[in-house]
Amino acid sequence: EDQVTQSPEALRLQEGESSSLNCSYTVSGLRGLFWYRQDPGKGPEFLFTLYSAGEEKEKERLKATLTKKESFLHITAPKPEDSATYLCAVQAKGSGNTGKLIFGQGTTLQVKP
Amino acid sequence: DGGITQSPKYLFRKEGQNVTLSCEQNLNHDAMYWYRQDPGQGLRLIYYSQIVNDFQKGDIAEGYSVSREKKESFPLTVTSAQKNPTAFYLCASSIRGSRGFGYTFGSGTRLTVV
Repeated sequence: EDQVTQSPEALRLQEGESSSLNCSYTVSGLRGLFWYRQDPGKGPEFLFTLYSAGEEKEKERLKATLTKKESFLHITAPKPEDSATYLCAVQAKGSGNTGKLIFGQGTTLQVKP
Repeated sequence: DGGITQSPKYLFRKEGQNVTLSCEQNLNHDAMYWYRQDPGQGLRLIYYSQIVNDFQKGDIAEGYSVSREKKESFPLTVTSAQKNPTAFYLCASSIRGSRGFGYTFGSGTRLTVV
């Protein structure tokens, strides 16, 4: 069964304290892995797509990496405005052309000034 | 600006009542999706549609119904058969059969049973 697990569930950092969020996945062939940011009471906002092991993407203080079993979202010198829930999702080759995504439960990040 | 509009933002349902959540997009996307989000759980797929007049059940379709009469619109009805409807509902769209475009999400509808 295709599955996505994120850890930790919650993470509290001081401003400037770098860390990483983990997304472990088990799928029957990976078509793509997606990272989203979600603020309270709002819809998720797209951050990155990764397709193959070794691939990396960066945006401001965020950097996403991918291996054959997991993805990391590295946050460098975070600021309070980075506080949000970060969602990881995968699209399996077995999903055909349906576009279905399988989501992890998310990591809630709090950055204190 | 292109995007997805969900309405209403908050919705209250009485026992035994059907309610309909609206989802409209002007992105010219073929595929549309409805997900349900509960605290501590990942998003779960309710229904999806790849083209007009066609839709498929997702993982938790029981107690829900949809229609896709127009490309731009994908309303979700929560029926009285859904015993635990209190949740945050998210509508999304994507390019059909896309690889790598992911989803564009709406801002969500919070449904509460009163």
